[in-house]
Amino acid sequence: AQTVTQSQPEMSVQEAETVTLSCTYDTSESNYYLFWYKQPPSRQMILVIRQEAYKQQNATENRFSVNFQKAAKSFSLKISDSQLGDTAMYFCAFMKQPGGSEKLVFGKGMKLTVNP
Amino acid sequence: DGGITQSPKYLFRKEGQNVTLSCEQNLNHDAMYWYRQDPGQGLRLIYYSQIVNDFQKGDIAEGYSVSREKKESFPLTVTSAQKNPTAFYLCASSNWRERGAGEQFFGPGTRLTVL
Repeated sequence: AQTVTQSQPEMSVQEAETVTLSCTYDTSESNYYLFWYKQPPSRQMILVIRQEAYKQQNATENRFSVNFQKAAKSFSLKISDSQLGDTAMYFCAFMKQPGGSEKLVFGKGMKLTVNP
Repeated sequence: DGGITQSPKYLFRKEGQNVTLSCEQNLNHDAMYWYRQDPGQGLRLIYYSQIVNDFQKGDIAEGYSVSREKKESFPLTVTSAQKNPTAFYLCASSNWRERGAGEQFFGPGTRLTVL
């Protein structure tokens, strides 16, 4: 079974700074997807970024980028130029190659606070 | 606008009562999911459905039941057999038929409190 571990339960950062959120996972699959989801105080889950395991290039979405280390089974999220709106719970998630029965496996989440 | 709606936003239940949480999507997605969220636990899968009239148990299905009679709807019933039902419940959907997809879209959630 796949597991996802987020070892830092809580972090804080000053506005405009850069912060990195860590995530490790365990799987015997070779093809899979990794996700970072954001849950702000409204509790609406929002996809931040997605990485396909077969792609060597790290995914980037505006201020958000990942450092995907497949051999180390590590998937960290870097937030540049942090904004107050980035304050949220962040969840790392794993999915086997989509094909109909694949489910998301979530880490326990990490609370990020961006301070003015 | 396409999306997922969940109702009600807040729900209170007395012990021993069954209660049904609604989830509707107009994204034309085949797959739908129910997750439970507890503090410090992340999201845990209760049930999921890939197509109409078919569903499978997730990791914590005991005390819950679902139906999938329509593509757009995936209601979750929390039965009196669920020992600790107070939690935040999230519904999601995905278009698994689309190659390279995998993203799940979430509804706004329902907060269930047992009195």
